[in-house]
Amino acid sequence: DGGITQSPKYLFRKEGQNVTLSCEQNLNHDAMYWYRQDPGQGLRLIYYSQIVNDFQKGDIAEGYSVSREKKESFPLTVTSAQKNPTAFYLCASSIRTGVDRKETQYFGPGTRLLVL
Amino acid sequence: DAKTTQPNSMESNEEEPVHLPCNHSTISGTDYIHWYRQLPSQGPEYVIHGLTSNVNNRMASLAIAEDRKSSTLILHRATLRDAAVYYCILLMDSNYQLIWGAGTKLIIKP
Repeated sequence: DGGITQSPKYLFRKEGQNVTLSCEQNLNHDAMYWYRQDPGQGLRLIYYSQIVNDFQKGDIAEGYSVSREKKESFPLTVTSAQKNPTAFYLCASSIRTGVDRKETQYFGPGTRLLVL
Repeated sequence: DAKTTQPNSMESNEEEPVHLPCNHSTISGTDYIHWYRQLPSQGPEYVIHGLTSNVNNRMASLAIAEDRKSSTLILHRATLRDAAVYYCILLMDSNYQLIWGAGTKLIIKP
């Protein structure tokens, strides 16, 4: 079945450690996104990518990095510079029609990151 | 950036209609209105979207005010499985980004 997978479901990070969250999609979508969600809050955009080998910062990119070497994959690295990384991280993709601007996003199940 | 305003929470009885309001007074003429919902510890799922006209699909209906400064998501017959946080979001025509608010937590009482 087509969809978006994120792994792991839970991730623990030690102080000063970089961790990488995986996001894979087999929907053949051009655009991919990373969001952060804190308890009781809405989603905030970290990074997004409209095409392979290109990505842009969202509203809260500091302390995070991404790469987009393949259309299917958009991994997110939470660096030690991110001082408050504990959150629920969501990856999404969209077909990116660009013509009718429907831009429906499909989300993965999320990764919960906890700092030890 | 354009923003949306929704009530923090709403309650409804099972098998009754639910009307979830959203204000977006700074919407521009070409911004689409999207609704998503999120169950606990899951990723959001798309519900419906529209531009100017009212829209219906198998999940819900979307009623958009004539001036487009507000909209209402209508669940015609709520079930316990509809208990979720509902987000009213604008798709900005300028950069194709979705601007998320805090959403409305919908509580369904049996």
